[in-house]
Amino acid sequence: VQLVESGGGLVQPGKSLKLSCSASGFTFSSYGMHWIRQAPGKGLDWVAYISSSSGTVYADAVKGRFTISRDNAKNTLYLQLNSLKSEDTAIYYCARGGIFDYWGQGVMVTVSS
Amino acid sequence: DIQMTQSPSLLSASVGDRVTLSCKASQNIYKYLNWYQQKLGEAPKLLIYYTNSLQTGIPSRFSGSGSGTDFTLTISSLQPEDVATYYCYQYNSGPYTFGAGTKLELK
Repeated sequence: VQLVESGGGLVQPGKSLKLSCSASGFTFSSYGMHWIRQAPGKGLDWVAYISSSSGTVYADAVKGRFTISRDNAKNTLYLQLNSLKSEDTAIYYCARGGIFDYWGQGVMVTVSS
Repeated sequence: DIQMTQSPSLLSASVGDRVTLSCKASQNIYKYLNWYQQKLGEAPKLLIYYTNSLQTGIPSRFSGSGSGTDFTLTISSLQPEDVATYYCYQYNSGPYTFGAGTKLELK
């Protein structure tokens, strides 16, 4: 099982970014997936969930700004980040299933002017 | 939303000690609680799921207990490699939430 995030970088406040999580080694379409973030020096912060049937749940802090999606044909999970704020600066991790038994290595998103 | 409160925030212990970490939920989460270990510079690792099920490959010195609102992670004999921050996480109902973490260091 491998999860590899990409798409991070430096972005200005108010702008957008799209993160990807490429999955391999398991039947991606059978698993719900999550995004979790961690601001520098802070704790873990759950962000969003998408079920195997594409139902979604969001943290209050990102609802209406972030969109989680998946492409089962490409074995890829996405997180669209819109209207970014400085407080969205964090390492973003994707994780598998309801128990997060596998995590990616994380991708850094920095929101700054 | 369900709030998760971990205590203590910092714990100093000696090698061989029995260590107990606490996690309290603001409402009943039944047994839908996991524990994660995060070492500096690394992604978190699953230790315990559904309150007391040990993840494959995790040493048996780690154990979990509890139900409802009160949960505990116990390390029966602390080892140097256990220095890390430990997080609880509830998945009873969305939005799902982590505790703020307990940082475990060697005395």
